[in-house]
Amino acid sequence: QVTLRESGPALVKPTQTLTLTCTFSGFSLSTSGMCVGWIRQPPGKALEWLALIDWDDDKYYSTSLRTRLTISKDTSKNQVVLTMTNMDPVDTATYYCARITIPGLYSMDVWGKGTAVTVSS
Amino acid sequence: DIQLTQSPSFLSASVGDRVTITCRASQGISSYLAWYQQKPGEAPKLLIYGASTLQSGVPSRFSGSGFGTEFTLTISSLQPEDFATYYCQHLNSYLYTFGQGTKLEIK
Repeated sequence: QVTLRESGPALVKPTQTLTLTCTFSGFSLSTSGMCVGWIRQPPGKALEWLALIDWDDDKYYSTSLRTRLTISKDTSKNQVVLTMTNMDPVDTATYYCARITIPGLYSMDVWGKGTAVTVSS
Repeated sequence: DIQLTQSPSFLSASVGDRVTITCRASQGISSYLAWYQQKPGEAPKLLIYGASTLQSGVPSRFSGSGFGTEFTLTISSLQPEDFATYYCQHLNSYLYTFGQGTKLEIK
């Protein structure tokens, strides 16, 4: 059974750096064709893709946020970490991680429950 | 970047109705088009990938079709548990785009 779980602070101050961890089980990010992505959703708004890392450690970022994002993986711990610098109140959102597979034509087939992050002083 | 526009943004329907949601791309896209269902307070759930392939475990009343710039998600006979928000999503050159969502409400 594939599961993913997001963890990180619920509250960050403006200008701080947010660090989120996605801990997963049921698959290996060292297996060819496996990827993990991050997606966020501000309250009442649509989904927004942030970043993706694949089995080969290739990394891809949202065009609008690429200067603020860093994604990395620790295959031995089954974890993917996303950092976002210079947080602003507009970054208040629920942040999700999801598994992405090439056989699924890069669709996000399993999602974590999400973690809510509020940016406020 | 490619833009995805869903229509309608809001849809009111009754149990048993057949409904169709459209996702239009700003330029021709490949079949890397997926549909997700999201209920309040929950994570999105994958319904369709590759424009028309039903994800394992998803009821057969859901179907997807389309090519080029226009794609559709159809629910053949609405069930009470189908009232939710639906999103289309596309991948192009490792950049993902989501549509703005279609909220399906009970009439």
